[in-house]
Amino acid sequence: SAVISQKPSRDICQRGTSLTIQCQVDSQVTMMFWYRQQPGQSLTLIATANQGSEATYESGFVIDKFPISRPNLTFSTLTVSNMSPEDSSIYLCSARTGQDEQFFGPGTRLTVL
Amino acid sequence: AQSVTQPDIHITVSEGASLELRCNYSYGATPYLFWYVQSPGQGLQLLLKYFSGDTLVQGIKGFEAEFKRSQSSFNLRKPSVHWSDAAEYFCATSGTYKYIFGTGTRLKVLA
Repeated sequence: SAVISQKPSRDICQRGTSLTIQCQVDSQVTMMFWYRQQPGQSLTLIATANQGSEATYESGFVIDKFPISRPNLTFSTLTVSNMSPEDSSIYLCSARTGQDEQFFGPGTRLTVL
Repeated sequence: AQSVTQPDIHITVSEGASLELRCNYSYGATPYLFWYVQSPGQGLQLLLKYFSGDTLVQGIKGFEAEFKRSQSSFNLRKPSVHWSDAAEYFCATSGTYKYIFGTGTRLKVLA
């Protein structure tokens, strides 16, 4: 299994600013993912964070809005840029182990005013 | 394309009653299937998984699920629900590199 921590756990931000969310895994993992969960909704995959190369974004998500870094096999960051109220969501980091199991962090609850 | 359907948006059961949450999948090959639980304000916790073999899988917290290929289903069950089981439950399948999640079923437990 993998234990995942995220920082911050929640934040309230002003429109037009940016927030960087950190994700730390307690072991080396092959794949890391970032999801968005809007209120009362299921999970939507934003991107796959690739170690040593650019992230792979899903349809509807772009690098300028959601830049992602993954400097090593245990750490990744997601930045939500130029925020608007529509970006208010829970952002979840996830990691997949060699057994093809996926584990999730506790999430970052973002409110944009 | 792969998909996962959870037909029930909300389910309410009394504490001590049995529970079954439905999940249907669409996938050509043998799917990897998962159930996750999300308590209020928390991330997702893996309850159980099915990769192959025995079609009845046991998970944590007293949950089990049965894979039925003929019905393309992977329903989650628990014989006796506890108040602490109130949460959102997500069924998921694993594709080539990413998971596909259902829309979730919110479980309410009456005392």
